[in-house]
Amino acid sequence: GQQVMQIPQYQHVQEGEDFTTYCNSSTTLSNIQWYKQRPGGHPVFLIQLVKSGEVKKQKRLTFQFGEAKKNSSLHITATQTTDVGTYFCAGGAGNNRKLIWGLGTSLAVNP
Amino acid sequence: DTGVSQDPRHKITKRGQNVTFRCDPISEHNRLYWYRQTLGQGPEFLTYFQNEAQLEKSRLLSDRFSAERPKGSFSTLEIQRTEQGDSAMYLCASSLDGTGVETQYFGPGTRLLVL
Repeated sequence: GQQVMQIPQYQHVQEGEDFTTYCNSSTTLSNIQWYKQRPGGHPVFLIQLVKSGEVKKQKRLTFQFGEAKKNSSLHITATQTTDVGTYFCAGGAGNNRKLIWGLGTSLAVNP
Repeated sequence: DTGVSQDPRHKITKRGQNVTFRCDPISEHNRLYWYRQTLGQGPEFLTYFQNEAQLEKSRLLSDRFSAERPKGSFSTLEIQRTEQGDSAMYLCASSLDGTGVETQYFGPGTRLLVL
Protein backbone atom coordinates (compact mmCIF):
# COMPACT_ATOMS: atom_id res chain seq x y z
CA GLY A 1 0.00 0.00 0.00
CA GLN A 2 0.88 3.64 -0.07
CA GLN A 3 3.46 4.69 2.48
CA VAL A 4 5.08 7.90 3.59
CA MET A 5 8.43 7.59 5.28
CA GLN A 6 9.86 10.38 7.38
CA ILE A 7 13.43 10.80 8.60
CA PRO A 8 15.00 11.29 11.00
CA GLN A 9 12.75 10.00 13.73
CA TYR A 10 14.43 12.23 16.32
CA GLN A 11 16.71 15.24 16.12
CA HIS A 12 18.43 17.03 18.95
CA VAL A 13 20.02 20.40 18.16
CA GLN A 14 21.54 23.37 19.94
CA GLU A 15 19.55 26.55 19.73
CA GLY A 16 20.65 28.44 16.66
CA GLU A 17 21.49 25.34 14.62
CA ASP A 18 19.53 24.43 11.53
CA PHE A 19 17.17 21.46 11.27
CA THR A 20 15.78 19.49 8.35
CA THR A 21 13.25 16.67 8.17
CA TYR A 22 12.60 14.66 5.03
CA CYS A 23 9.50 12.95 3.79
CA ASN A 24 9.42 10.27 1.06
CA SER A 25 6.41 8.65 -0.53
CA SER A 26 6.24 5.33 -2.31
CA THR A 27 3.79 6.85 -4.79
CA THR A 28 3.25 10.18 -6.49
CA LEU A 29 1.31 12.58 -4.31
CA SER A 30 -1.30 15.12 -5.29
CA ASN A 31 -0.16 17.38 -2.48
CA ILE A 32 1.87 17.32 0.72
CA GLN A 33 1.01 18.97 3.99
CA TRP A 34 3.05 19.64 7.08
CA TYR A 35 1.77 19.69 10.64
CA LYS A 36 3.41 20.52 13.96
CA GLN A 37 2.46 18.91 17.23
CA ARG A 38 3.74 20.40 20.45
CA PRO A 39 4.27 18.08 23.42
CA GLY A 40 0.86 17.36 24.91
CA GLY A 41 -0.91 19.09 22.04
CA HIS A 42 -2.61 18.11 18.82
CA PRO A 43 -1.37 18.41 15.23
CA VAL A 44 -1.62 21.93 13.85
CA PHE A 45 -1.59 22.60 10.14
CA LEU A 46 1.47 24.51 8.90
CA ILE A 47 1.37 24.53 5.13
CA GLN A 48 0.43 22.63 1.99
CA LEU A 49 2.38 22.23 -1.24
CA VAL A 50 0.70 21.28 -4.48
CA LYS A 51 2.95 22.03 -7.43
CA SER A 52 5.97 20.06 -8.56
CA GLY A 53 9.16 21.73 -7.29
CA GLU A 54 7.20 24.18 -5.15
CA VAL A 55 9.04 26.05 -2.40
CA LYS A 56 7.29 28.01 0.31
CA LYS A 57 8.66 29.96 3.23
CA GLN A 58 7.21 30.91 6.58
CA LYS A 59 9.72 33.07 8.45
CA ARG A 60 12.50 30.63 9.39
CA LEU A 61 10.72 27.60 7.90
CA THR A 62 11.27 26.53 4.29
CA PHE A 63 9.15 23.82 2.71
CA GLN A 64 9.95 22.06 -0.54
CA PHE A 65 8.01 19.65 -2.74
CA GLY A 66 10.09 17.48 -5.04
CA GLU A 67 9.94 17.61 -8.80
CA ALA A 68 8.48 14.10 -8.95
CA LYS A 69 5.98 14.95 -6.18
CA LYS A 70 7.19 11.99 -4.15
CA ASN A 71 9.30 13.75 -1.57
CA SER A 72 9.31 16.86 0.54
CA SER A 73 11.41 18.58 3.15
CA LEU A 74 11.01 21.05 5.96
CA HIS A 75 14.02 23.14 6.90
CA ILE A 76 14.20 25.37 9.95
CA THR A 77 16.95 27.99 10.04
CA ALA A 78 18.44 28.99 13.38
CA THR A 79 16.20 26.89 15.60
CA GLN A 80 14.63 28.35 18.71
CA THR A 81 13.24 26.61 21.77
CA THR A 82 9.74 27.44 20.50
CA ASP A 83 10.38 25.09 17.56
CA VAL A 84 10.29 22.08 19.86
CA GLY A 85 7.71 19.51 18.82
CA THR A 86 7.01 16.77 16.35
CA TYR A 87 6.74 17.64 12.68
CA PHE A 88 4.54 15.43 10.53
CA CYS A 89 4.20 15.31 6.79
CA ALA A 90 0.98 14.02 5.28
CA GLY A 91 0.52 13.28 1.62
CA GLY A 92 -2.62 13.34 -0.45
CA ALA A 93 -2.96 10.59 -3.05
CA GLY A 94 -5.71 8.90 -4.95
CA ASN A 95 -9.23 9.96 -5.76
CA ASN A 96 -10.47 10.02 -2.20
CA ARG A 97 -7.74 12.47 -1.18
CA LYS A 98 -7.29 10.77 2.18
CA LEU A 99 -4.03 11.89 3.73
CA ILE A 100 -1.24 9.40 4.30
CA TRP A 101 0.74 10.36 7.38
CA GLY A 102 4.42 9.99 8.10
CA LEU A 103 5.50 8.93 11.59
CA GLY A 104 6.92 12.35 12.38
CA THR A 105 10.26 13.83 13.36
CA SER A 106 10.60 14.90 16.97
CA LEU A 107 12.75 17.98 17.41
CA ALA A 108 14.41 18.86 20.70
CA VAL A 109 16.27 22.16 21.05
CA ASN A 110 18.83 22.81 23.75
CA PRO A 111 18.86 26.44 24.91
CA ASP B 1 -14.25 29.44 19.00
CA THR B 2 -15.27 27.81 15.72
CA GLY B 3 -12.60 25.12 15.68
CA VAL B 4 -12.98 21.39 16.16
CA SER B 5 -14.06 20.43 19.66
CA GLN B 6 -13.95 17.09 21.42
CA ASP B 7 -15.57 15.86 24.57
CA PRO B 8 -14.49 14.67 27.03
CA ARG B 9 -10.88 15.80 27.06
CA HIS B 10 -9.88 13.02 29.44
CA LYS B 11 -11.46 9.69 30.27
CA ILE B 12 -10.37 7.09 32.79
CA THR B 13 -12.23 3.82 32.71
CA LYS B 14 -11.91 0.27 33.90
CA ARG B 15 -11.18 -2.57 31.56
CA GLY B 16 -14.36 -4.02 30.11
CA GLN B 17 -16.36 -0.80 30.27
CA ASN B 18 -17.77 0.98 27.25
CA VAL B 19 -16.78 4.55 26.43
CA THR B 20 -18.12 7.08 23.95
CA PHE B 21 -16.38 10.17 22.64
CA ARG B 22 -17.89 13.07 20.78
CA CYS B 23 -16.45 15.31 18.10
CA ASP B 24 -17.94 18.54 16.79
CA PRO B 25 -16.25 19.55 13.54
CA ILE B 26 -15.93 22.98 12.01
CA SER B 27 -19.50 23.68 10.93
CA GLU B 28 -19.11 23.84 7.15
CA HIS B 29 -16.73 20.88 6.93
CA ASN B 30 -18.15 17.80 5.27
CA ARG B 31 -15.36 15.36 6.10
CA LEU B 32 -14.63 14.07 9.56
CA TYR B 33 -11.79 11.80 10.62
CA TRP B 34 -10.97 9.79 13.70
CA TYR B 35 -7.37 8.97 14.56
CA ARG B 36 -5.66 7.27 17.44
CA GLN B 37 -2.26 8.37 18.66
CA THR B 38 -0.01 6.75 21.22
CA LEU B 39 3.04 8.32 22.81
CA GLY B 40 5.84 8.90 20.33
CA GLN B 41 3.80 7.82 17.33
CA GLY B 42 2.02 9.62 14.55
CA PRO B 43 -1.75 9.74 14.13
CA GLU B 44 -3.11 6.32 13.18
CA PHE B 45 -6.13 6.47 10.91
CA LEU B 46 -9.27 4.82 12.27
CA THR B 47 -12.14 5.93 10.06
CA TYR B 48 -13.62 8.83 8.15
CA PHE B 49 -16.96 10.21 7.06
CA GLN B 50 -18.09 12.23 4.10
CA ASN B 51 -21.19 13.91 5.44
CA GLU B 52 -23.06 11.09 7.21
CA ALA B 53 -21.54 8.27 5.15
CA GLN B 54 -18.70 6.27 6.66
CA LEU B 55 -16.42 5.82 3.65
CA GLU B 56 -13.50 3.94 5.09
CA LYS B 57 -12.61 2.05 8.21
CA SER B 58 -9.12 0.91 9.10
CA ARG B 59 -8.50 -2.81 9.06
CA LEU B 60 -6.73 -2.29 12.36
CA LEU B 61 -10.04 -1.34 13.92
CA SER B 62 -11.63 -4.23 15.74
CA ASP B 63 -15.36 -4.74 15.90
CA ARG B 64 -15.32 -3.25 19.39
CA PHE B 65 -14.98 0.16 17.75
CA SER B 66 -17.87 1.89 16.07
CA ALA B 67 -18.34 5.42 14.83
CA GLU B 68 -21.37 7.34 13.71
CA ARG B 69 -22.15 10.68 12.19
CA PRO B 70 -25.93 10.52 12.02
CA LYS B 71 -26.73 13.98 10.69
CA GLY B 72 -23.50 14.74 8.96
CA SER B 73 -22.43 17.12 11.70
CA PHE B 74 -21.07 15.81 15.02
CA SER B 75 -19.66 12.32 15.32
CA THR B 76 -19.33 9.78 18.10
CA LEU B 77 -16.74 7.07 18.54
CA GLU B 78 -17.66 4.20 20.83
CA ILE B 79 -15.32 1.59 22.19
CA GLN B 80 -16.98 -1.44 23.71
CA ARG B 81 -15.37 -3.74 26.29
CA THR B 82 -12.30 -1.54 26.58
CA GLU B 83 -8.88 -3.11 26.90
CA GLN B 84 -5.68 -1.66 28.32
CA GLY B 85 -4.28 -1.49 24.81
CA ASP B 86 -6.99 1.01 23.91
CA SER B 87 -5.29 3.63 26.09
CA ALA B 88 -4.33 6.42 23.73
CA MET B 89 -5.21 9.90 22.54
CA TYR B 90 -8.20 9.85 20.21
CA LEU B 91 -8.06 12.71 17.75
CA CYS B 92 -10.81 14.03 15.56
CA ALA B 93 -10.17 16.16 12.49
CA SER B 94 -12.43 17.80 9.96
CA SER B 95 -11.91 19.12 6.47
CA LEU B 96 -13.75 20.59 3.55
CA ASP B 97 -13.67 18.28 0.57
CA GLY B 98 -14.26 19.51 -2.92
CA THR B 99 -11.65 22.24 -3.05
CA GLY B 100 -9.07 19.98 -4.69
CA VAL B 101 -6.69 20.05 -1.75
CA GLU B 102 -7.66 18.87 1.68
CA THR B 103 -6.43 20.39 4.93
CA GLN B 104 -7.36 18.66 8.14
CA TYR B 105 -8.05 20.67 11.26
CA PHE B 106 -7.63 18.78 14.47
CA GLY B 107 -9.46 18.95 17.74
CA PRO B 108 -7.67 18.85 21.09
CA GLY B 109 -8.23 15.10 21.45
CA THR B 110 -9.66 12.82 24.10
CA ARG B 111 -7.07 11.07 26.21
CA LEU B 112 -8.27 7.63 27.27
CA LEU B 113 -6.73 5.62 30.06
CA VAL B 114 -7.98 2.09 30.60
CA LEU B 115 -7.07 0.66 33.99
